[in-house]
Amino acid sequence: AQRVTQPEKLLSVFKGAPVELKCNYSYSGSPELFWYVQYSRQRLQLLLRHISRESIKGFTADLNKGETSFHLKKPFAQEEDSAMYYCALRDNFNKFYFGSGTKLNVKP
Amino acid sequence: EAQVTQNPRYLITVTGKKLTVTCSQNMNHEYMSWYRQDPGLGLRQIYYSMNVEVTDKGDVPEGYKVSRKEKRNFPLILESPSPNQTSLYFCASILRAGNNQPQHFGDGTRLSIL
Repeated sequence: AQRVTQPEKLLSVFKGAPVELKCNYSYSGSPELFWYVQYSRQRLQLLLRHISRESIKGFTADLNKGETSFHLKKPFAQEEDSAMYYCALRDNFNKFYFGSGTKLNVKP
Repeated sequence: EAQVTQNPRYLITVTGKKLTVTCSQNMNHEYMSWYRQDPGLGLRQIYYSMNVEVTDKGDVPEGYKVSRKEKRNFPLILESPSPNQTSLYFCASILRAGNNQPQHFGDGTRLSIL
């Protein structure tokens, strides 16, 4: 069963526009949610995690347990934000589940 | 430099010919993991290891084996590769699972099974 769903394969926005990358999950326990990013020609790397409630590079994500969502948001997109973004979940057994990814393209 | 190293980076081989993809990390991480990445499916976990001599199945373990004899190494073994195992494979490690530490990923290994 797919535990993490990212409905958008590609999201194109103009520089300065708000951006929201959607992530929904399915898990009955207490999951840990993460966003990973892969910039062109770079390794996959952690962007942020829900437990830290942090803002990284202007991105934030709030865990909404009622809607089982963990959407990634940024009020003003920059061209350097163009990358592949993956939502991930760690279950209580330390298994990880990744979404299929959303490619963000920020146009000048 | 702290990193996760996979070898080989690219491999083309034939059905049934056993192969091993090595993964090594120099960060003294306890948790290591293998993923495969396929178009439209994202990353799927194959196997993971919480520590030396402890391995567990991920979401798609069929057709794969792993071992964790030393903390730094976590090889992925395909005893009898088949074309449906053609994929991009990533190894990753975490200092310690369960406390939200980030995963450190390798550069990936692209396998083509003919």
